[in-house]
Amino acid sequence: AQSVAQPEDQVNVAEGNPLTVKCTYSVSGNPYLFWYVQYPNRGLQFLLKYITGDNLVKGSYGFEAEFNKSQTSFHLKKPSALVSDSALYFCAVRDIPTNAGKSTFGDGTTLTVKP
Amino acid sequence: EAQVTQNPRYLITVTGKKLTVTCSQNMNHEYMSWYRQDPGLGLRQIYYSMNVEVTDKGDVPEGYKVSRKEKRNFPLILESPSPNQTSLYFCASSPTQGSEGNQPQHFGDGTRLSIL
Repeated sequence: AQSVAQPEDQVNVAEGNPLTVKCTYSVSGNPYLFWYVQYPNRGLQFLLKYITGDNLVKGSYGFEAEFNKSQTSFHLKKPSALVSDSALYFCAVRDIPTNAGKSTFGDGTTLTVKP
Repeated sequence: EAQVTQNPRYLITVTGKKLTVTCSQNMNHEYMSWYRQDPGLGLRQIYYSMNVEVTDKGDVPEGYKVSRKEKRNFPLILESPSPNQTSLYFCASSPTQGSEGNQPQHFGDGTRLSIL
């Protein structure tokens, strides 16, 4: 079975500081990993994905994520946080080819960036 | 504009009264899926469809039905809703290349259901 863990319900950072939102996963096959962001009263929006290749993935709005196979992690990072980054962030995994249609999401991490 | 459209956005109803939440996408995507979002539980997959006439259970399918008669539509049916189905529901779609599953999903803006 596939699973995703986001160990922090809440992350607080000051504007201009680097941020990290943590994600670990478990799959039987190969992981396809995704990060999404959700703003109030809206659906999820795609930020970035890891499929294969370079372990450092760059995405929208200056976000990046590092895939670490030995630690089964896919942490989301940004070098300098903005107040407008405050939102709910979800990590998701697909287990390829075992369960290509199933998507498993973490419980979400609320990021608050203070001025 | 490329989008996933859900209707209604909000619904308050009573136990046992059948309801349907519609979902439509205009991107010609093969894959569609339904999720529910509950506080502290993240998003949980209810059903998904890899293509027309192909549907499969997700992690929490009990009490729900779906159908995929056309590529663009994927309605979620609650035949006999109960209070524990009160939740925020999201429909999503993505293109697929076979069963590779490497494309991100596009989400609708959600449907908030309250079952009294």
